[in-house]
Amino acid sequence: QSVLTQPPSVSGAPGQRVTISCTGSRSNIGAGYDVHWYQQLPGTAPKLLIYGNSNRPSGVPDRFSGSKSGTSASLAITGLQAEDEADYYCQSYDRSLTGSRVFGTGTKVTVL
Amino acid sequence: EVQLVESGGGLVQPGRSLRLSCVASGFTFDDYAMHWVRQAPGKGLEWVSGISWNSIIIAYADSVKGRFTMSRDNAKNSLYLEMNSLRAEDTALYYCVKQTVGLSVVVAAAFDHWGQGTPVTVSS
Repeated sequence: QSVLTQPPSVSGAPGQRVTISCTGSRSNIGAGYDVHWYQQLPGTAPKLLIYGNSNRPSGVPDRFSGSKSGTSASLAITGLQAEDEADYYCQSYDRSLTGSRVFGTGTKVTVL
Repeated sequence: EVQLVESGGGLVQPGRSLRLSCVASGFTFDDYAMHWVRQAPGKGLEWVSGISWNSIIIAYADSVKGRFTMSRDNAKNSLYLEMNSLRAEDTALYYCVKQTVGLSVVVAAAFDHWGQGTPVTVSS
C-alpha cells in the first residue's frame, strides 16, 4: 500500500510560520479524498488537528490551518509556540483497497 | 466523554497468536465504523484494519491481511483484533480508533478519538 510523503523535520523560532507538506498520488489525495492531520505530543496518542482538508475541531487554535491541491496537502502553523513541538501526520483514504487508509511518514516540528 | 480502552497486549513469541480488545464508552458504538492503527517503536503511524458498524465490510492493510482478523460486538461496545502468525515486525503500540462520522469504512472520514494503546512485542 502507498504512503503519503512528508519531510522528516521542520523547525522554526517562536512566533514564526512553518509549513508541512504531504504528497500523495492519484489513488489517494489526487483522487479527491479528504486529507486529515494529527498532532502527536511525546508519549501520547495522536490528536485530530485538521479534518476535511481545512477544518479545525473544537478547541484547536486557529494558528493551525490546512489546505489541499492536486496530489498534495499542507499544514501551516503560524505564531509557532513551544507547545507545538510534536510529530505531525497527514492521513487520507486510498482507493487501491476498499476501506484502506494511508498515513504520512510523519514530520517532527522543533521549536528553536 | 468518549473513552476507548485497549487491552490484551503483551510479549509473544514469533508465530504465536494474541487477541486485542477495546471497550468503548461515551458514544453510540454501533453508529460508527472503527479502526485499529499501530505504531512501531520510534516509527510512524500505520493503519491496520477497519470495520463497518455492522461488520459487513472489514478492510486490512496488506501487511496483516490473512493473519489478522478484526471483529466487533455491538452489544458489548467492544472491538477485537485477533492476530495470528505474529512476526517481529508486528511489534508496536496498537491503538483503537473511532471514525468521526459514518457507519462504513468506505468513507474518507478522519479519526477523532484514540485510545491510549496496548503494546505488543513479538520476540523469542
